[in-house]
Amino acid sequence: DQQVKQNSPSLSVQEGRISILNCDYTNSMFDYFLWYKKYPAEGPTFLISISSIKDKNEDGRFTVFLNKSAKHLSLHIVPSQPGDSAVYFCAASNPRGSQGNLIFGKGTKLSVKP
Amino acid sequence: EADIYQTPRYLVIGTGKKITLECSQTMGHDKMYWYQQDPGMELHLIHYSYGVNSTEKGDLSSESTVSRIRTEHFPLTLESARPSHTSQYLCASVSLLPPYEQYFGPGTRLTVT
Repeated sequence: DQQVKQNSPSLSVQEGRISILNCDYTNSMFDYFLWYKKYPAEGPTFLISISSIKDKNEDGRFTVFLNKSAKHLSLHIVPSQPGDSAVYFCAASNPRGSQGNLIFGKGTKLSVKP
Repeated sequence: EADIYQTPRYLVIGTGKKITLECSQTMGHDKMYWYQQDPGMELHLIHYSYGVNSTEKGDLSSESTVSRIRTEHFPLTLESARPSHTSQYLCASVSLLPPYEQYFGPGTRLTVT
């Protein structure tokens, strides 16, 4: 049973527009949520995180929103650029589990068209 | 910038061969991980380590083994490679300060023929 779900396997967006990537989770004990970006044949790179006590975190073009009541978070990229084309993974940290272990979603492949 | 290295980046090997995938980090992190990822699929945790002489199996059963003799080094070994082992193997280490960001190496793309 997946604790972190990314229900959209792919998303296509025009350059300059907003990309919205969604993530749902089931465990209300998660304390941090992280987004990673992965290019083919490379390791994931950390993008942005949010604490469960916050509802928004912003870093440049990237903003993550957390809705705890809905157990939902989203990553907004604005404006989207062709270089943003990659697979984006949502991950969650469980303080009751082994500290440092993350639970990853299946990823969403973002394609930004020029 | 994270300093975590994996070698080789790509490996094509025949069935039955023994292989070792290398992973090292210079950040002094105690906790390290190995993940397996197939294209379009999620990252599956196969091994992790809390520190020297500590190894644990992850959520996904794997025929591979790991060792942790030094903090900076966490190699993964397959005693007898099979085509089902074809995958990308990703090594990571973690900062034990929130938000518990994991730093990933570039990965090893393994193909067993």
